[in-house]
Amino acid sequence: AQTVTQSQPEMSVQEAETVTLSCTYDTSENNYYLFWYKQPPSRQMILVIRQEAYKQQNATENRFSVNFQKAAKSFSLKISDSQLGDTAMYFCAFRQAGTALIFGKGTTLSVSS
Amino acid sequence: SQTIHQWPATLVQPVGSPLSLECTVEGTSNPNLYWYRQAAGRGLQLLFYSVGIGQISSEVPQNLSASRPQDRQFILSSKKLLLSDSGFYLCAWSRPDSGNTIYFGEGSWLTVV
Repeated sequence: AQTVTQSQPEMSVQEAETVTLSCTYDTSENNYYLFWYKQPPSRQMILVIRQEAYKQQNATENRFSVNFQKAAKSFSLKISDSQLGDTAMYFCAFRQAGTALIFGKGTTLSVSS
Repeated sequence: SQTIHQWPATLVQPVGSPLSLECTVEGTSNPNLYWYRQAAGRGLQLLFYSVGIGQISSEVPQNLSASRPQDRQFILSSKKLLLSDSGFYLCAWSRPDSGNTIYFGEGSWLTVV
């Protein structure tokens, strides 16, 4: 069975700094998708970034980028120029083609001024 | 554009009472639909998913059931709530193609007292 592990329960960073959130996963499949979701205090789950496993190029979305290491089964999220609004819980998620998302337990990120 | 709504947003129910949470998706046809639960301080657990009307897959045996009476309507129910059913429930949808992003509703807080 596939599993997703986020080894950092909590992280903190100051405004304008860069922070990296870690995620590892376990699968025997070759075709899958990886996601980072953000859950602010409102509790709504918001998609941050998505990566297809068959793509070697790391996905980027403005200040958010990933470091996808397929052989190591690692999928970390880098947030550059952190802002107060980035304060949230961040979930790494894995999806094999045609199945539902499997989530990690989340990392709570606090951004301070 | 596609939207997803779920209600009620907040619910306080006594132990042993029934439950009905509803979710509807607009702007798309034949979506895959999902119910997730998030217990306090924990990650998301997939409860049910559906690929079509009347087609429900259960991931975790429990006190809950799901139904899909219409293409874009997904209902989470219970005949008799338990204290352990308390949590944050999220409905979600994705396009039927494999690997597509899963989008979440606003969530419903359920407190069983």
